[in-house]
Amino acid sequence: EVQLVESGGGLVQPGGSLRLSCAASGFTFSSYWMHWVRQAPGKGLVWVSRINSDGSSTSYADSVKGRFTISRDNAKNTLYLQMNSLRAEDTAVYYCARGEGAGPFDYWGQGTLVTVSS
Amino acid sequence: EIVMTQSPATLSVSPGERATLSCRASQSVSSNLAWYQQKPGQAPRLLIYGASTRATGIPARFSGSGSGTEFTLTISSLQSEDFAVYYCQQYNNWLRRLTFGGGTKVEIK
Repeated sequence: EVQLVESGGGLVQPGGSLRLSCAASGFTFSSYWMHWVRQAPGKGLVWVSRINSDGSSTSYADSVKGRFTISRDNAKNTLYLQMNSLRAEDTAVYYCARGEGAGPFDYWGQGTLVTVSS
Repeated sequence: EIVMTQSPATLSVSPGERATLSCRASQSVSSNLAWYQQKPGQAPRLLIYGASTRATGIPARFSGSGSGTEFTLTISSLQSEDFAVYYCQQYNNWLRRLTFGGGTKVEIK
């Protein structure tokens, strides 16, 4: 059974940092692209970042470029999102999702809540 | 960036009726379009990919159509478990950025 479990969310002050993790199981992690998607309270889905299967290629939404870094450890079956210079508008539930090739997201984690507030 | 626009924002439908949701892309995405369903407090679930292919385990009452810039998700006979928010997503521009539509909430009439 495919499972994606996010962790690392919490309350952080503006300007602070946080690292999210997504532990994957039930599939060959190193064969899949992975993504982060966020959802502010009561709002829609927003794609944040993606990484290809071996970690050699990444892409970011304009709103997080230069502040967030996506990475992966295929030996540990884990995806990461390092978030720096956090702002109030980064407050959201962050989901990790598996990409079917360069295509749609066929499995999602349950999300981890990040709250940026003083 | 490709902008995805969904309409209507809210759709009120009675159980058993047909629901038709629209998604428009600001430029052609070919058939690289997916639909997701999200219920309150849950993660999204993939319903349709390639504009018209149902994902594993998705009931036949869900169907997708369209290509280029105009897409439709149809739920042929709404069941109680179908009341949710539906999002479209383009993955044509995968080298750069993927984008979601703003969502359509399907509510009980």
